Order: sequence, then structure tokens, then C-alpha cells
Amino acid sequence: DTGVSQNPRHKITKRGQNVTFRCDPISEHNRLYWYRQTLGQGPEFLTYFQNEAQLEKSRLLSDRFSAERPKGSFSTLEIQRTEQGDSAMYLCASSPQGGGRYYNEQFFGPGTRLTVL
Amino acid sequence: GDSVTQMEGPVTLSEEAFLTINCTYTATGYPSLFWYVQYPGEGLQLLLKATKADDKGSNKGFEATYRKETTSFHLEKGSVQVSDSAVYFCALTKEAGTALIFGKGTTLSVSS
Repeated sequence: DTGVSQNPRHKITKRGQNVTFRCDPISEHNRLYWYRQTLGQGPEFLTYFQNEAQLEKSRLLSDRFSAERPKGSFSTLEIQRTEQGDSAMYLCASSPQGGGRYYNEQFFGPGTRLTVL
Repeated sequence: GDSVTQMEGPVTLSEEAFLTINCTYTATGYPSLFWYVQYPGEGLQLLLKATKADDKGSNKGFEATYRKETTSFHLEKGSVQVSDSAVYFCALTKEAGTALIFGKGTTLSVSS
């Protein structure tokens, strides 16, 4: 079990550029979540996938943001026309379906830190 | 809507001191409650959890009890170490497959 991985770990971009982040969940976890964390705040929910279906989106996910999870494996989060306010840590988490020991737990990746200049 | 409120930090303690970080929540129904920890330069790690009223979660010397009557889930440790220095987040979720709702986090700094 290698844990949740995210790439890149850091991204610096200029305002107006598009960026894409990737998340690889723990294998066999069919639930995947994206969160955004700004300095001094707790993570805020962006969106949730069960397998390849995007089941929930936060109001924080403006139309410049899009997330996909083709084939229910890895996921990508794209931000178009980046703004300075998009600077944050973007976190991915995954969880297994069903009950048992890990009921309700989400396992987080190390995050991608985005800086928009 | 549902929310989590944590005591504001930073909390500065000497090694072996007693730690309490307060956490209260607002939610309908019966949420599950969590404490996550974020060490410097690392990702969020689950520290402990409780899924029903009066449950006590514990790990690495940390404890928290799910108190429905006071809607609280305070984190405690009897004797902190320098290695406990981190940011601690209280969180809740209503059910599996839904968003975690986090507090703003409390920074703990322990000196030797």
C-alpha cells in the first residue's frame, strides 16, 4: 500500500495560465475527494467521486475548475485561467467503500501547492 | 450548515505538559468525529476518530471523547513531546462518502 500520491508537489504559474494536477488514490479505494487548503485554514471540500462518477461538487468549484476520474482510477483537477486567489494547497483523499475498520476514514495525499504569480 | 469550531492557537507548551485542544461542532444527526494532524512539510494524517456518542478515540497517547450533550470532541494528551509539534484539525463527516468538514486548525508548539 503506497498511499495516496499527488503530482506535481509544487506548481508555480502565471495568472491566466491553465494548470492540471493529478491524484492517484490508494488502490481499490473507489471514493476520491479533492479539497483546497489556504494558509491558516482547514481544508475545504471541492468535489467527490465514486468510481468514475462525480457525485458532489462544492460551490467553491467555480466554472474555471473541472475534475475528472476516467475509469475510476486516478483523478485530475484542472484550473483554467488561474487567478492569484487560486493560490493554495490542493489535497486529494481516498476512502474504501463499505464498513469495517476504515469506516468513514479518508486517507490524504501530500498535496500540490499552487502559487499563482 | 454543519461546522466545526476549534480553539485558536498557537498553543505553546513545555515538554511533558498536559495538552487540551477544544473542539465543538454543529451538525444535525449523528456525525462521525475526527482529529487529523499535519506535521511540518507533511500531509494530513488521521490521529483518532469516534463514530458514536460516548466513544473514546485514542492513539499515540492522545484521546478524545465524543460528547453529544455538549457537542464537543476535545483532544487531550497527558504529557506532550517536542515531536508532537504540529497543526491539529478537528473534523466531522455525516456519513461515508461525504465531505469532511474541518475546523481552522490549532498549531501546537512544544519546547524542550
